[in-house]
Amino acid sequence: SAVISQKPSRDICQRGTSLTIQCQVDSQVTMMFWYRQQPGQSLTLIATANQGSEATYESGFVIDKFPISRPNLTFSTLTVSNMSPEDSSIYLCSVSSVEETQYFGPGTRLLVL
Amino acid sequence: AQSVTQLDSQVPVFEEAPVELRCNYSSSVSVYLFWYVQYPNQGLQLLLKYLSGSTLVKGINGFEAEFNKSQTSFHLRKPSVHISDTAEYFCAVSGYTGGFKTIFGAGTRLFVKA
Repeated sequence: SAVISQKPSRDICQRGTSLTIQCQVDSQVTMMFWYRQQPGQSLTLIATANQGSEATYESGFVIDKFPISRPNLTFSTLTVSNMSPEDSSIYLCSVSSVEETQYFGPGTRLLVL
Repeated sequence: AQSVTQLDSQVPVFEEAPVELRCNYSSSVSVYLFWYVQYPNQGLQLLLKYLSGSTLVKGINGFEAEFNKSQTSFHLRKPSVHISDTAEYFCAVSGYTGGFKTIFGAGTRLFVKA
């Protein structure tokens, strides 16, 4: 299984600002994903982070709001841009194994005031 | 398209009682099925998974689930729960639809009472 770390673990931000979340994996992986888990709710896939090409976004999520970088097979960033209180959530990075099991990072708890 | 329905948002149960958390799915392609657990203020971890073969799958902490293709279900069971099993449980389905994608159910909060 992969070991995944995320930075920051939590942050409190002012509306209108942006926050970049980092995800580091201890081994090279093909598939990396970003999820959002709003308070008391399930996980919603934001996008698949593709190495060497643009991320693939799910319906309802756009690159201008959630730009993603994937410079190599062990690292990715997600930026939450022009934040509003509705962006308050837990943001999770995950990777998948050959058998499609998802391994999750500890999450980044974001509160937007 | 794929979807996952967890039929119960909350399940209260007394300690040492049996429990079943229900999950139904729909998909136009073959899928893998998973149960993940999220303990309070922690990340998600894999409880068990069904890929192929035997339809009864055993996972960690005494949990098991049975894949029923005709009923498109993957219910999670434990014969005797502990206080420490109190957590949020998520059913998930993964299939290839132009790329592998995992869809999560809404979650079931299991609350074990003494």
